[in-house]
Amino acid sequence: EAGVAQSPRYKIIEKRQSVAFWCNPISGHATLYWYQQILGQGPKLLIQFQNNGVVDDSQLPKDRFSAERLKGVDSTLKIQPAKLEDSAVYLCASSLDLGRDKAFFGQGTRLTVV
Amino acid sequence: SQQGEEDPQALSIQEGENATMNCSYKTSINNLQWYRQNSGRGLVHLILIRSNEREKHSGRLRVTLDTSKKSSSLLITASRAADTASYFCAVDNYGQNFVFGPGTRLSVLP
Repeated sequence: EAGVAQSPRYKIIEKRQSVAFWCNPISGHATLYWYQQILGQGPKLLIQFQNNGVVDDSQLPKDRFSAERLKGVDSTLKIQPAKLEDSAVYLCASSLDLGRDKAFFGQGTRLTVV
Repeated sequence: SQQGEEDPQALSIQEGENATMNCSYKTSINNLQWYRQNSGRGLVHLILIRSNEREKHSGRLRVTLDTSKKSSSLLITASRAADTASYFCAVDNYGQNFVFGPGTRLSVLP
């Protein structure tokens, strides 16, 4: 079974630039999550999708972050414009369905904003 | 917030000893899950315990859940150097969201 795929693995950008991350969940997984993990902290949920609908985006900084999951499969997370404090690892995870199953994580994208 | 809070923040033990870490949460949950994260890697699922269960085992892992105290514990028996990692609990709020605590950093010394 293929795992959750994320790209790129690493990204360095200057502040005020824009950046996009891509996630391909495990085939058949209806639920997709994006997390931000700052060094030394636990993952912080940014947004949770069920198929192509948003379940929870209460912690997504909507003035600069956006995410979409067109067709309920792949997802992209965008930051525009980036700030220094956005430096973190961005993790994508998927699970079969809401509230019942374990989540599978990708390797993450390490973003450095300089 | 449903966020789980792990305790202790850091734990250092000798190889062969047992490691216990705890997780507390605030309101009712559907299930609670434990994950491991090796440095620079993604999270790996260890074990899931549902709200109507009290204890589960998986190999050297033992998880307990006390819903009256809103707490869970993860016991790793006969620890190995390879168990060195950060451990996170995550609480599922009936599918509404899935949030993690700050984690326990475990160091197993040879």
